[in-house]
Amino acid sequence: DAKTTQPTSMDCAEGRAANLPCNHSTISGNEYVYWYRQIHSQGPQYIIHGLKNNETNEMASLIITEDRKSSTLILPHATLRDTAVYYCIVRGGSQGNLIFGKGTKLSVKP
Amino acid sequence: GAVVSQHPSRVICKSGTSVKIECRSLDFQATTMFWYRQFPKQSLMLMATSNEGSKATYEQGVEKDKFLINHASLTLSTLTVTSAHPEDSSFYICSARALPGSRHTEAFFGQGTRLTVV
Repeated sequence: DAKTTQPTSMDCAEGRAANLPCNHSTISGNEYVYWYRQIHSQGPQYIIHGLKNNETNEMASLIITEDRKSSTLILPHATLRDTAVYYCIVRGGSQGNLIFGKGTKLSVKP
Repeated sequence: GAVVSQHPSRVICKSGTSVKIECRSLDFQATTMFWYRQFPKQSLMLMATSNEGSKATYEQGVEKDKFLINHASLTLSTLTVTSAHPEDSSFYICSARALPGSRHTEAFFGQGTRLTVV
């Protein structure tokens, strides 16, 4: 089972920041938080990952709480092409596979 | 990021025939590749984990004789759906992770293969 909880869906206005929350209260000390997104009928796309420090790359920022029980993915200026299902994943599985939950369906609206 | 190429992107086959799907890591070597299946409006479900040079490990409920996996090199894994039936129609996605110690620790995904069995 997925070890994360995310809202089913969210809306965001184009050009505004999209903040996607994720709860992972049972995360272990050596487990990373990964974010992927899946645009309709495509394979998942890697966005960002982190352990305990906040991370930023050209796509997004990842804010992880100090107790590591939750995190937020921030898309600073959402565009229509950011409409997708966003998956927050705590890397686990006996072979290091990614276990996908239901994710958050983000709809960016004009 | 690194590139994983999956082929074909779309295939239609007759019931009872076999279909092979290829997954290649183009710019990195992958000791481990993963195969997922995704039905409409559902999330990705792991089918099997493929390790180069050894037998694949299948998830519970996935028939190993039906879904044949071969991981013959560090850049190629194949999934063959044998004796396909309409209920095997789905979106199949592969994923690859680079060798330990590589620059990338994250897994990268192929574009997916839409299989329709008629």
